[in-house]
Amino acid sequence: GAVVSQHPSWVICKSGTSVKIECRSLDFQATTMFWYRQFPKQSLMLMATSNEGSKATYEQGVEKDKFLINHASLTLSTLTVTSAHPEDSSFYICSASNRPRAGELFFGEGSRLTVL
Amino acid sequence: DAKTTQPNSMESNEEEPVHLPCNHSTISGTDYIHWYRQLPSQGPEYVIHGLTSNVNNRMASLAIAEDRKSSTLILHRATLRDAAVYYCILRDFNSGNTPLVFGKGTRLSVIA
Repeated sequence: GAVVSQHPSWVICKSGTSVKIECRSLDFQATTMFWYRQFPKQSLMLMATSNEGSKATYEQGVEKDKFLINHASLTLSTLTVTSAHPEDSSFYICSASNRPRAGELFFGEGSRLTVL
Repeated sequence: DAKTTQPNSMESNEEEPVHLPCNHSTISGTDYIHWYRQLPSQGPEYVIHGLTSNVNNRMASLAIAEDRKSSTLILHRATLRDAAVYYCILRDFNSGNTPLVFGKGTRLSVIA
């Protein structure tokens, strides 16, 4: 089946630094990818929709200048957490689909960010 | 996406069948019923989906009520590796490439 991969799987950084998380579709082209955030014991919350070749669409309450999304190719989307703070510590997950119209979505393994 | 209602948690003994219910009384005619699960510290994984008829695959079975207002995910023999949060999600066939909207799901515990 289709595979979506994220890197890194975990990262620890100091407060004030920026961290980049990559999301790749390994065996299909994804014009659209989705980024989620998940805090402990909570469900996944959609952050933004990443569109290849155009600007990302952010959900209400998500700061676009803090969470920079770049979807420069059909197989790669990146999420950069800028000037990270401890409250940004979370599990970040991306997803993509090679079957629009109600087909299944594939999810990355997730990237756990810890900001000290 | 229409809302679904699931029990917060369920428990099962290993090697026994598990029936995970989901209510979706406001489902529309073009909504597919999707099930995903999330194992600890991993991204969600697709389990099964269906529209009207019951569906079977190597992971599970999906039983859909005749009026489509509820469905049940059936794991035929629970194993310890099936311990996860199970999400029932409706997705409109006409929605194009849109994201899944996750509710709280059902946390399944499997007892050895």
